[in-house]
Amino acid sequence: GNSVTQMEGPVTLSEEAFLTINCTYTATGYPSLFWYVQYPGEGLQLLLKATKADDKGSNKGFEATYRKETTSFHLEKGSVQVSDSAVYFCALADTGGFKTIFGAGTRLFVKA
Amino acid sequence: KAGVTQTPRYLIKTRGQQVTLSCSPISGHRSVSWYQQTPGQGLQFLFEYFSETQRNKGNFPGRFSGRQFSNSRSEMNVSTLELGDSALYLCASSLEGGLDGTDTQYFGPGTRLTVL
Repeated sequence: GNSVTQMEGPVTLSEEAFLTINCTYTATGYPSLFWYVQYPGEGLQLLLKATKADDKGSNKGFEATYRKETTSFHLEKGSVQVSDSAVYFCALADTGGFKTIFGAGTRLFVKA
Repeated sequence: KAGVTQTPRYLIKTRGQQVTLSCSPISGHRSVSWYQQTPGQGLQFLFEYFSETQRNKGNFPGRFSGRQFSNSRSEMNVSTLELGDSALYLCASSLEGGLDGTDTQYFGPGTRLTVL
């Protein structure tokens, strides 16, 4: 079945450091891929998405490219801020099941 | 446009009780899904509704049920609460639920349920 695997956390970085959170997926076909972010005490916010191979999603300085050759959708940001501290979830659309399948989440701590 | 709203935001119940959670989707969205989030199991799909019909259900016991009204608002019910039901329950809405192309799920802030 469809699944998402993302790197375990927590990830701790200093402000202005480069961020990469790895995500790989297993799926039938080429589903849409997403990154969601969850700040403490809140629900999930859609950070970015890509709907087909080679698409690059981007938002708020974050980027991820849909790589079908490596079945990956790694999240990157060139310079993180303390306010980026949150849990990040990689996810894919299970269109036949009308649901989103999530990875386990990666907690990011950014130190000033 | 208002986002997905969920009520109540926090609930404390005791074992054996039942609880009803409510979700109002984004205007124009006809698909509503529910997820349970726990530290141990992560985000797990409960069920999805479209036009008042349940189209898919996750692997949860029959104590978990839901429904959708004609205005797309949805409720989920958990009967005979157990300690393990303590979780953040998230509601999400999308246009049609197909989740392809521009049809994306948007999440509410969640209802934090604590079972004592």
